[in-house]
Amino acid sequence: EAQVTQNPRYLITVTGKKLTVTCSQNMNHEYMSWYRQDPGLGLRQIYYSMNVEVTDKGDVPEGYKVSRKEKRNFPLILESPSPNQTSLYFCASSSGDASSYEQYFGPGTRLTVT
Amino acid sequence: SQKIEQNSEALNIQEGKTATLTCNYTNYSPAYLQWYRQDPGRGPVFLLLIRENEKEKRKERLKVTFDTTLKQSLFHITASQPADSATYLCALDLTSGTYKYIFGTGTRLKVLA
Repeated sequence: EAQVTQNPRYLITVTGKKLTVTCSQNMNHEYMSWYRQDPGLGLRQIYYSMNVEVTDKGDVPEGYKVSRKEKRNFPLILESPSPNQTSLYFCASSSGDASSYEQYFGPGTRLTVT
Repeated sequence: SQKIEQNSEALNIQEGKTATLTCNYTNYSPAYLQWYRQDPGRGPVFLLLIRENEKEKRKERLKVTFDTTLKQSLFHITASQPADSATYLCALDLTSGTYKYIFGTGTRLKVLA
């Protein structure tokens, strides 16, 4: 089944404790992206990657890191999480098919930083 | 800076009627605009894409229009059903071909039986 998977789905952590949220897709997509979703603010893009070793900042990259060493994986790293990074995070991927540029989203990771 | 506005309030309509959702944007001329559906606690699901040179796009009961002069897209669901109840998001590409996107905050649609 074609899908984007994220782990963990739920995470409660404390301020300053480094964490990684993994994202993996099995569709051989070149493009991957991370978003956060907050009430009243909608989906905001954190980082995106157009291919292996190619990443770029989205709208809200501060406090986050990413890496794209393999085509299928795109982990999101919070080196020193803070309470304002409490949010619902989504990973997405796309083949770049010009007929739709459809993004496939993962199930989400709900992060709480205390 | 670029900005997208969608009806922030929920839209309630009776089953069988046509739902019309609005997406307005400013300070930008996107190459295309997308619409997604999001159910509570789940990731968005792609519905339709419309390009800047297209006036209208249809898919089953869905219709999207794109007016680049008004900087507005309308999303219609005809013969609406309770199963259409969800939040609908519009998205624009900020820089053509780079996959840098901006999303609207979404409009919550509730179809009443």
